Amino acid sequence: DQQVKQNSPSLSVQEGRISILNCDYTNSMFDYFLWYKKYPAEGPTFLISISSIKDKNEDGRFTVFLNKSAKHLSLHIVPSQPGDSAVYFCAATITGTASKLTFGTGTRLQVTL
Amino acid sequence: GAVVSQHPSWVICKSGTSVKIECRSLDFQATTMFWYRQFPKQSLMLMATSNEGSKATYEQGVEKDKFLINHASLTLSTLTVTSAHPEDSSFYICSASTPGRRNTGELFFGEGSRLTVL
Repeated sequence: DQQVKQNSPSLSVQEGRISILNCDYTNSMFDYFLWYKKYPAEGPTFLISISSIKDKNEDGRFTVFLNKSAKHLSLHIVPSQPGDSAVYFCAATITGTASKLTFGTGTRLQVTL
Repeated sequence: GAVVSQHPSWVICKSGTSVKIECRSLDFQATTMFWYRQFPKQSLMLMATSNEGSKATYEQGVEKDKFLINHASLTLSTLTVTSAHPEDSSFYICSASTPGRRNTGELFFGEGSRLTVL
């Protein structure tokens, strides 16, 4: 049972344009969501997070939106840069469960020149 | 940011042998570390939670006798894949949270270890 889903395995965006990566979840107990970025042969690195008490969190070029009623979140990257090309994982957790994360399957973003 | 290091990054072994993977927190003490596994084109799956000085907590479906976890110090956790078989070939990643971020889910990941069992 995949509780966190990223339905788009890949996405290609031109440099300078907006990248939108989507994530859906099924467990209504999740109350904290994170995005991780992963380059080949490396471990994931934390990018941005959002608590369920908010619907938006922004950090520079990265913005995460949360729609609790739809159990959907999205990561916006604007403007997209070639260095953003990586696999992006959405993850969810329940606060207080000692950081046990449930990950999505990832979306490979390719930013083209 | 905090640094978590894994070793080895690549390992190839024969079927039936055991392989040990080390995970170290280099600049902080990690009372809890997490071991994940990733199969190709799949998500990171939590295998077990490693607690310093006590037994690891395994997720459902993960064989504790096959995947031995030892967390003997605040900076080192090891995962031993015993009697490895080709189906154990995967990318194994450890992670830890810093004391101040333990409840936020913001984990620091190691570089990962790719295991290939022939």
